[in-house]
Amino acid sequence: DTAVSQTPKYLVTQMGNDKSIKCEQNLGHDTMYWYKQDSKKFLKIMFSYNNKELIINETVPNRFSPKSPDKAHLNLHINSLELGDSAVYFCASSPGHRDEQYFGPGTRLTVT
Amino acid sequence: GESVGLHLPTLSVQEGDNSIINCAYSNSASDYFIWYKQESGKGPQFIIDIRSNMDKRQGQRVTVLLNKTVKHLSLQIAATQPGDSAVYFCAERGGSYIPTFGRGTSLIVHP
Repeated sequence: DTAVSQTPKYLVTQMGNDKSIKCEQNLGHDTMYWYKQDSKKFLKIMFSYNNKELIINETVPNRFSPKSPDKAHLNLHINSLELGDSAVYFCASSPGHRDEQYFGPGTRLTVT
Repeated sequence: GESVGLHLPTLSVQEGDNSIINCAYSNSASDYFIWYKQESGKGPQFIIDIRSNMDKRQGQRVTVLLNKTVKHLSLQIAATQPGDSAVYFCAERGGSYIPTFGRGTSLIVHP
């Protein structure tokens, strides 16, 4: 069974569109994250939720909105997509907010 | 295996050699450090961690060394295998909730 899963794996869309990426973890963890990885492999945290509450919100444009319907899910909605949003987005979870993280397989977003 | 710049630092080794991947951190308040391995097309995977009250921790074929004086972390991989080829990240967590990832080092193992 996949511990942290993301859908879709690939997402190709045009500028200006709105899209969502879903994430689910079946590890029973309290904390979930979204990361953006650029073409140079730099990993930058975007958001973190602990028990459905937002605890990290880095300097991310407000076109990006995370939603956590329950502690096993953290979805990422992106409005008005721009070319610079093209990247690989990783969801992760951890037992608590100061523990090691378990990453999903990533979603490669390409904005044309 | 270290460089500063736009390109991912790369370490090339022969199969069977030992590999050492280095990481410098800046936050003296960081008290928990983790190494991750990211294979091509996959998400980062936890390898080993170390807390600031230790200076060495060993796993299976991997050893992490922590030098708090100079804020330096290293990952040693014994008898490197082709399957070890990946990008390796160090991460630190300090007083805040924000985990900070290092730049990443690409390890290439030649058979």
